[in-house]
Amino acid sequence: AQSVTQLGSHVSVSEGALVLLRCNYSSSVPPYLFWYVQYPNQGLQLLLKYTTGATLVKGINGFEAEFKKSETSFHLTKPSAHMSDAAEYFCAVSGRRTEQKVTFGTGTKLQVIP
Amino acid sequence: DTGVSQNPRHKITKRGQNVTFRCDPISEHNRLYWYRQTLGQGPEFLTYFQNEAQLEKSRLLSDRFSAERPKGSFSTLEIQRTEQGDSAMYLCASSFMTGANTGELFFGEGSRLTVL
Repeated sequence: AQSVTQLGSHVSVSEGALVLLRCNYSSSVPPYLFWYVQYPNQGLQLLLKYTTGATLVKGINGFEAEFKKSETSFHLTKPSAHMSDAAEYFCAVSGRRTEQKVTFGTGTKLQVIP
Repeated sequence: DTGVSQNPRHKITKRGQNVTFRCDPISEHNRLYWYRQTLGQGPEFLTYFQNEAQLEKSRLLSDRFSAERPKGSFSTLEIQRTEQGDSAMYLCASSFMTGANTGELFFGEGSRLTVL
């Protein structure tokens, strides 16, 4: 079975400050890892994904995440928060040959304070 | 627009009634997923299809829920004898499955169900 745990259901940062959203995964097989973003009244959209290769993954809107196998983590970061980053962020995991459904975390709502 | 389309966007029904939601995926996508999302929670997996075959169904899904994808294109999710606990946003997503399964999920905007 696979799962992800997102630490912190709400995170507040000041505009221009570092954004750090935490995600830890559990998977019995090598995982694929994803971050999705959901803006108010919109569908989820992919920010970035890790499959194989380079462990530092860059996504849209200046976000990046690093896959750390030793820590079973896939934290999302952005050096400087913008007001438009206010949204809910979901970490997700899927397996490879097995466990191919995508399992989501409970989400972290990001508030950006001007 | 060639994105994932869900209908209806909102449905209000009385307890005990049946409801059906439709999802039209991106045309070349061979995988289709249904999720349920309640306030403050992440999307909860319900079921998924590869072409017309239903490959997995959540054990949390009662037998009042049924999903079909008869021709490997659009899909329907039916809830029979609705209960107030079924009130949620029902999300559909599609992806293109390759051998290594790196497919990104493309989500529709969801169908919100309110059971009175």
